[in-house]
Amino acid sequence: EAGVAQSPRYKIIEKRQSVAFWCNPISGHATLYWYQQILGQGPKLLIQFQNNGVVDDSQLPKDRFSAERLKGVDSTLKIQPAKLEDSAVYLCASSLGSYATNEKLFFGSGTQLSVL
Amino acid sequence: SQQGEEDPQALSIQEGENATMNCSYKTSINNLQWYRQNSGRGLVHLILIRSNEREKHSGRLRVTLDTSKKSSSLLITASRAADTASYFCATDGGNMLTFGGGTRLMVKP
Repeated sequence: EAGVAQSPRYKIIEKRQSVAFWCNPISGHATLYWYQQILGQGPKLLIQFQNNGVVDDSQLPKDRFSAERLKGVDSTLKIQPAKLEDSAVYLCASSLGSYATNEKLFFGSGTQLSVL
Repeated sequence: SQQGEEDPQALSIQEGENATMNCSYKTSINNLQWYRQNSGRGLVHLILIRSNEREKHSGRLRVTLDTSKKSSSLLITASRAADTASYFCATDGGNMLTFGGGTRLMVKP
């Protein structure tokens, strides 16, 4: 089966610019996650969708980050304006159900963002 | 804050040796998962152990869970150079699946 697709693979921008990332989850997966992984650290959850709805966005910096999931399938994550500390790998993952029901997550290869 | 914390942060061994990584967590869980991440890639699921399970095997992997100590261990037996990667535990305490900081394993040929 096809995996989780993410684009772009790499992005370099200057601070205060805006950037958007795209994710296409595995077909039929109801839950979609965006994680931020800073170099040398573990992934940190930014937002979790269950179909169209947001399950958790408590760690999303809402003054600059936004995310949406279109028709319960594809998702975009946007940063506007970007700060130097946003430099990280942004990982998208999906699961058939919720992790709470013992589902495993499938990850994309991520988008590596460098903010100069 | 991170629910799970791995120990050690880095581990270097020779091919053929066993590698043991530990994970400690703070709140009660329904399950604990282990993932592997090769450099520059996304995470790959290795194994999930439920809170009512004590041990689980998958190929050369053995995972144990001690809920009384809030800890888990991942054992990789007969390691190979291809096992070189970062290994993360993830716990579902609270409303989200939270990852630890990871153990960076290097297996020297």
